[in-house]
Amino acid sequence: EIVMTQSPATLSVSPGESATLSCRASQSVRTKLAWYQQTPGQAPRLLIYSASTRATGVPGRFSGSGSGTDFTLTISSLQSEDFAVYYCQQYNNWPPLTFGGGTKVEIK
Amino acid sequence: EVQLLESGGGLVQPGGSLRLSCVASGFTFANSGMTWFRQAPGKGPPEWVSSITDSGGVTYYADSIKGRFTISRDNFRNTLYLQVTGLRDEDTAVYYCAKGRWAQDYWGQGTLVTVSS
Repeated sequence: EIVMTQSPATLSVSPGESATLSCRASQSVRTKLAWYQQTPGQAPRLLIYSASTRATGVPGRFSGSGSGTDFTLTISSLQSEDFAVYYCQQYNNWPPLTFGGGTKVEIK
Repeated sequence: EVQLLESGGGLVQPGGSLRLSCVASGFTFANSGMTWFRQAPGKGPPEWVSSITDSGGVTYYADSIKGRFTISRDNFRNTLYLQVTGLRDEDTAVYYCAKGRWAQDYWGQGTLVTVSS
């Protein structure tokens, strides 16, 4: 099973600033990596798939990069609705699909 | 507009059973693999539970639920199912259905399953 590790666990950012979230896989997942956003009481929302492709309707301030074992989600100019928990998920070696532990982006 | 609407959750005693349903609309259900996830309330990431191919011919299960849960689908009724049996305290979670077998582009709002005596 591929273990996904996200860092940091919590990121404190002021509105309008940018945020960089990291995700590392225990072995290569090529670019079979997705990012999800989850706000309290809501289901996860797909932001990025194939490591760098934005899902339908996702604003351009969200961007993903990386391949192999190291991935980054960057959120530029954070808006109020962006304060949430973000999860990475690999789908290269499955079953099982596996998620990272999450990064909470909070208001500084 | 894609919609996924889960139902069937509730309070059940340990060892009990439930059938969860997910009615899909807004896309060609019969052409899409589907997946169930669960997430313990307030605790960490979603956990993959099970997936099924578009035809229903192939199914996949997490080790933690293998032999206790059964995924199925009815492509005429645009409905995904998860039969859950032998429930344990640790199965308490919100259960989500999601479209797709890899990156899941749409999720339902979930149905809460609480296992307690």
